Amino acid sequence: DQQVKQNSPSLSVQEGRISILNCDYTNSMFDYFLWYKKYPAEGPTFLISISSIKDKNEDGRFTVFLNKSAKHLSLHIVPSQPGDSAVYFCAASGGAWGAQKLVFGQGTRLTINP
Amino acid sequence: GAGVSQTPSNKVTEKGKYVELRCDPISGHTALYWYRQSLGQGPEFLIYFQGTGAADDSGLPNDRFFAVRPEGSVSTLKIQRTERGDSAVYLCASSLTAGGGEQFFGPGTRLTVL
Repeated sequence: DQQVKQNSPSLSVQEGRISILNCDYTNSMFDYFLWYKKYPAEGPTFLISISSIKDKNEDGRFTVFLNKSAKHLSLHIVPSQPGDSAVYFCAASGGAWGAQKLVFGQGTRLTINP
Repeated sequence: GAGVSQTPSNKVTEKGKYVELRCDPISGHTALYWYRQSLGQGPEFLIYFQGTGAADDSGLPNDRFFAVRPEGSVSTLKIQRTERGDSAVYLCASSLTAGGGEQFFGPGTRLTVL
């Protein structure tokens, strides 16, 4: 069973506009969530994280929102830049699953159009 | 400062052969993780080490897979009697401690089993 789901395999956004990537999870015991960005032939690179005690975390152009009741998190990128084109993975950890093991979604390929 | 490195970057082998994949974590990181990423999927947890010991190997798919970290630094993932279904990108990550939080990923080893 897929405990972390990214239902949009791809997203295309105009440069300068807002990109919104979504992620849903099923395990209510998860207490820490992360977003990673991946370029081809490279490993995933950490972007931003959020603990379950918060509902928002912001870092420059990147903001992550967590809605625990809906078991949903989203990543907002504003303004979007061509260099943001990559595959984005959300990941979760915690609870019985353990703080150490990350459970990843399938990824969303973001394309920023000039 | 060097990041996580993995060798080889690509490995092609024949069904039934034995392979070893190597990971050099970031210096000083005590926790090391192995993940496997199949095409179109997110990384999937295999095993993690705290120091020299395998703290959790629950993600290893079967007993053909084994990993070691004898001196608490470099780790080797070993796959015996490879099968075509083992073809994937094998990712290694490290973190300062095993208490959760950000994991730093290497570029991965692409394994192809013919």
